[in-house]
Amino acid sequence: EDQVTQSPEALRLQEGESSSLNCSYTVSGLRGLFWYRQDPGKGPEFLFTLYSAGEEKEKERLKATLTKKESFLHITAPKPEDSATYLCAVRGYGGSQGNLIFGKGTKLSVKP
Amino acid sequence: DTGVSQNPRHKITKRGQNVTFRCDPISEHNRLYWYRQTLGQGPEFLTYFQNEAQLEKSRLLSDRFSAERPKGSFSTLEIQRTEQGDSAMYLCASSLAGIERGQVPTNEKLFFGSGTQLSVL
Repeated sequence: EDQVTQSPEALRLQEGESSSLNCSYTVSGLRGLFWYRQDPGKGPEFLFTLYSAGEEKEKERLKATLTKKESFLHITAPKPEDSATYLCAVRGYGGSQGNLIFGKGTKLSVKP
Repeated sequence: DTGVSQNPRHKITKRGQNVTFRCDPISEHNRLYWYRQTLGQGPEFLTYFQNEAQLEKSRLLSDRFSAERPKGSFSTLEIQRTEQGDSAMYLCASSLAGIERGQVPTNEKLFFGSGTQLSVL
C-alpha cells in the first residue's frame, strides 16, 4: 500500500533560519512526488513535481529534492510569509490513476 | 483563469439531513477530483471524473455519498443522511490530463479550490 510520512509535524523557525522538511514514501513504482503549500482555510497550492531520484526543483526560497525513498523541501532564509502547512503527496504506477496519496503535512511557523 | 470555485464555503447541517456541494473547475480542465480533509490530516481521495465519466471511487466512500459531473463541466457532491463523522473540509481540484509521452506525465498538476467546510451537528 502506498504511504507517505512527513516530519516533523510542526517546525518553528526564526526569520532567516534555514531548515528542511522531510517526506518519506513507499510506493509501487513512483509516478510522481508532489509538494503543496496550504494556508489556513484554503485549498493546497501546487509547488513542485519530482519524477526521478536525483531531480531537484527550486522556487524562490524553496528547493525540493528527491531520492528513491524520500524527498526534502529545503527552505533557505525563510520569511514570515512562508508560514503555512507543507504537504507531500505521491502517485504510484501500481495504484490508482486518479489518487494522490497525501502525508499529514508539516506546519511551518516563521517568526520575525 | 479564475481558478477552481467551490460553493458554499461553509455549511452547517443537522445530523440526518442531506447536503450538496458544487465545484466549478478551471474551464479547460478535463479532470475533476473530490478530496476530504479533516483537521491535522492530509487530503483524502474520494472520487474523480474525466470529462463526464466517473472513473474511480475510493473504497472508503460510503454509499451515502454520490457525485456527478453532467456535461463534463461543474460537479456536485451530495451526502445523504449526514453523520457527525462527515464533518470535514471537502476539496475539489481540477487538472488538464494529457497523453503521456515517454516518461513525462502531462496530467499531474492539480489545482485546488478553497473547499467547503461541513459541520454536522
